[in-house]
Amino acid sequence: NAGVTQTPKFQVLKTGQSMTLQCAQDMNHNSMYWYRQDPGMGLRLIYYSASEGTTDKGEVPNGYNVSRLNKREFSLRLESAAPSQTSVYFCASSDTGGTGELFFGEGSRLTVL
Amino acid sequence: AQKVTQAQTEISVVEKEDVTLDCVYETRDTTYYLFWYKQPPSGELVFLIRRNSFDEQNEISGRYSWNFQKSTSSFNFTITASQVVDSAVYFCALSEVLTTRMKTSYDKVIFGPGTSLSVIP
Repeated sequence: NAGVTQTPKFQVLKTGQSMTLQCAQDMNHNSMYWYRQDPGMGLRLIYYSASEGTTDKGEVPNGYNVSRLNKREFSLRLESAAPSQTSVYFCASSDTGGTGELFFGEGSRLTVL
Repeated sequence: AQKVTQAQTEISVVEKEDVTLDCVYETRDTTYYLFWYKQPPSGELVFLIRRNSFDEQNEISGRYSWNFQKSTSSFNFTITASQVVDSAVYFCALSEVLTTRMKTSYDKVIFGPGTSLSVIP
């Protein structure tokens, strides 16, 4: 019962470096999401994908790019990391879009120095 | 634009007390979905409940109950006889309706800032 798997779990980057967070779900869900969690800010939506081949901006998309590689995988890329992107990132998926339960990964803690 | 407000940043209660977590939302849509999620200290996010905008019936599940009032745009969560295991951050969320010429979808889910609940033994 893997559910939603995120890699890596932890990452430290220097300002200006790039990296990709990987997310895969094995529940055959259509919708996938990337959120970031910062103290006092809750979960803020970065990008989401309603179905394979589509992606849309969320609340805080600046500085990020995404790829919905196939139905299972949804990656988040930081092209030039900044200290403001230090956060915990959560990937989620849903079989009913935003009308039903979101299934979350365990989170990826990213620190940008 | 849609917005979710959880005005209580932190709450502390003594075990066995009842506690209510407030959630106020803003939306211009007539159809929307509301959710509550729990994040215990271990960090995972746990789904608790979903409510659609046409169903204003209050719901009870064990020690948990939810009060949905469209008139005040609120979806409050009450824990009765709180326990130490209820200590967590609780998030209220709103599903935004996106309408295009092709279809209406509800894929954008927005969360409030969360309320950190501490239950003291």
